[in-house]
Amino acid sequence: GEEVAQTPKHLVRGEGQKAKLYCAPIKGHSYVFWYQQVLKNEFKFLISFQNENVFDETGMPKERFSAKCLPNSPCSLEIQATKLEDSAVYFCASSQGSSGEQYFGPGTRLTVT
Amino acid sequence: RKEVEQDPGPFNVPEGATVAFNCTYSNSASQSFFWYRQDCRKEPKLLMSVYSSGNEDGRFTAQLNRASQYISLLIRDSKLSDSATYLCVVNGGDSSYKLIFGSGTRLLVRP
Repeated sequence: GEEVAQTPKHLVRGEGQKAKLYCAPIKGHSYVFWYQQVLKNEFKFLISFQNENVFDETGMPKERFSAKCLPNSPCSLEIQATKLEDSAVYFCASSQGSSGEQYFGPGTRLTVT
Repeated sequence: RKEVEQDPGPFNVPEGATVAFNCTYSNSASQSFFWYRQDCRKEPKLLMSVYSSGNEDGRFTAQLNRASQYISLLIRDSKLSDSATYLCVVNGGDSSYKLIFGSGTRLLVRP
């Protein structure tokens, strides 16, 4: 498609439950990035992919967070055993080249209760 | 110290005013620079990339000073629809190409 698509729009989970978020990048874009936005404007980089390969995972809290980008499937971000501090908006972005402009999806708002 | 620093505002200006936002970044290895705008509870939307030579897009002009590690955005003839948070964004400067965001400057344009 011509826009980054993210599902679901909203997700509510109890503490300790699993959460799975999906992202379909713009067609033809090879790079996918995940960001977490907390406290209104603080963005945190989580992970990036070049096609189905992890490009940079330095931002991922590895003990509970995992992500995949498989061929012919939306990319996914999974949080095992969610915690209250995971409540945030999770944005996916895609770009054509590695250092090019990144275009953002509408985000998934995760609320952990 | 944050990697990208911006005045949080808010800047409250009348329609038709000219307003300027500034931003500084700490990583001299950053190679790509952008302004994004974010409306309440929405995704960041790319406003413009910023080049060393400066660039203009309609009412918007962006400047980059690499020596001072300083980026600016000028909005002329402000419209009500310009009300938003403006995010100064740079790339990580390493091989990851992740984006580093400032905390944003809030602009309110009043009638």
